[in-house]
Amino acid sequence: KAGVTQTPRYLIKTRGQQVTLSCSPISGHRSVSWYQQTPGQGLQFLFEYFSETQRNKGNFPGRFSGRQFSNSRSEMNVSTLELGDSALYLCASSMDRRETQYFGPGTRLLVL
Amino acid sequence: QKEVEQNSGPLSVPEGAIASLNCTYSDRGSQSFFWYRQYSGKSPELIMSIYSNGDKEDGRFTAQLNKASQYVSLLIRDSQPSDSATYLCAGSPGDYKLSFGAGTTVTVRA
Repeated sequence: KAGVTQTPRYLIKTRGQQVTLSCSPISGHRSVSWYQQTPGQGLQFLFEYFSETQRNKGNFPGRFSGRQFSNSRSEMNVSTLELGDSALYLCASSMDRRETQYFGPGTRLLVL
Repeated sequence: QKEVEQNSGPLSVPEGAIASLNCTYSDRGSQSFFWYRQYSGKSPELIMSIYSNGDKEDGRFTAQLNKASQYVSLLIRDSQPSDSATYLCAGSPGDYKLSFGAGTTVTVRA
């Protein structure tokens, strides 16, 4: 079974731009979660989607948003990028909320 | 207070020794706990999940959960150089997210 895939793998943007990251979950998994990982803050939860509905959101500003499509694929968007948004963005999928989450390879975003 | 705290390390052990990693959590509602391994530059990879009090063994790895003490641990027996990585403890309070500790970096000396 194919794992979680994320595109793009690397991205360089400048301050003020916006970015869209994509995640395809493991086949059959309906829950998709997004996390931000930085050296200073570690792994922090962004949001979780199940059946196209956001069920939980972490403590991030409104510039961070996401959505899920009917095929369970998910996208997250960051608008008006700031230098501090430079991070590894990880997507994880699971069957449902109590199931184990499996991570994709991540998208490494650098904001200049 | 962070929801999940890990002994920060780093932890250095000789090859063949036991590496012991510890984690405490603050939310008594947490039901599920996970240990992930993350190699430098890579994404987290699941090692173990544990849901009930007691021990759970998988190969050289043993996870222990004590809900009364709000404590989770991971033992790595017969440590190998390939075990050198950052180990992340995560808890699930049941609100559709995982809360991660800061991670413990383990180095296995050959």
